[in-house]
Amino acid sequence: EAAVTQSPRSKVAVTGGKVTLSCHQTNNHDYMYWYRQDTGHGLRLIHYSYVADSTEKGDIPDGYKASRPSQENFSLILELASLSQTAVYFCASSDQGQGYAEQFFGPGTRLTVL
Amino acid sequence: KTQVEQSPQSLVVRQGENCVLQCNYSVTPDNHLRWFKQDTGKGLVSLTVLVHENDKTSNGRYSATLDKDAKHSTLHITATLLDDTATYICVVGDRGSALGRLHFGAGTQLIVIP
Repeated sequence: EAAVTQSPRSKVAVTGGKVTLSCHQTNNHDYMYWYRQDTGHGLRLIHYSYVADSTEKGDIPDGYKASRPSQENFSLILELASLSQTAVYFCASSDQGQGYAEQFFGPGTRLTVL
Repeated sequence: KTQVEQSPQSLVVRQGENCVLQCNYSVTPDNHLRWFKQDTGKGLVSLTVLVHENDKTSNGRYSATLDKDAKHSTLHITATLLDDTATYICVVGDRGSALGRLHFGAGTQLIVIP
């Protein structure tokens, strides 16, 4: 069954530490995305990628890096985690860009930075 | 500034009742509008997409309308079930191509009680 999976599902990190969130999709989609969701706010795009070994900045990329080593895998890296990065992070994939094509979402990773 | 506003923020209904969720937006251009369902602790799942000026769609007990002149959409849920308990998110796409961006509302939390 085609799916988007994320790991870990939850994580507690210390301020200043490095955090890596991983995403794996079996949809055979070219596009992958990382969003963050804050309570009471809509999802916001952090980074996206449309081909392996290439990533693009989204609307709120500061403090985040992304890596797309293969079509199936897309990682989000917080080199120096900060309190303000506490949020739920969602990965998504689609077979076309952020237009009409439906995006398929993973279950999310709840990150708490202390 | 929030470009997609959803109301109400939360709603409690009894099983079997109907309910209506509202989405108002200021996104320009407005290529399409999609409604997602987000179960607690899960990812977003698409319910329906509306594209044209006065589109109406139906997906089982879910039906939706779009008025592009008023920049307004409604999601109707008929004969609610306990499993309808979730957050419903309105998303507006500003283009139908890879250059587009998705603008997410904060969601309406629906609780269905027995």
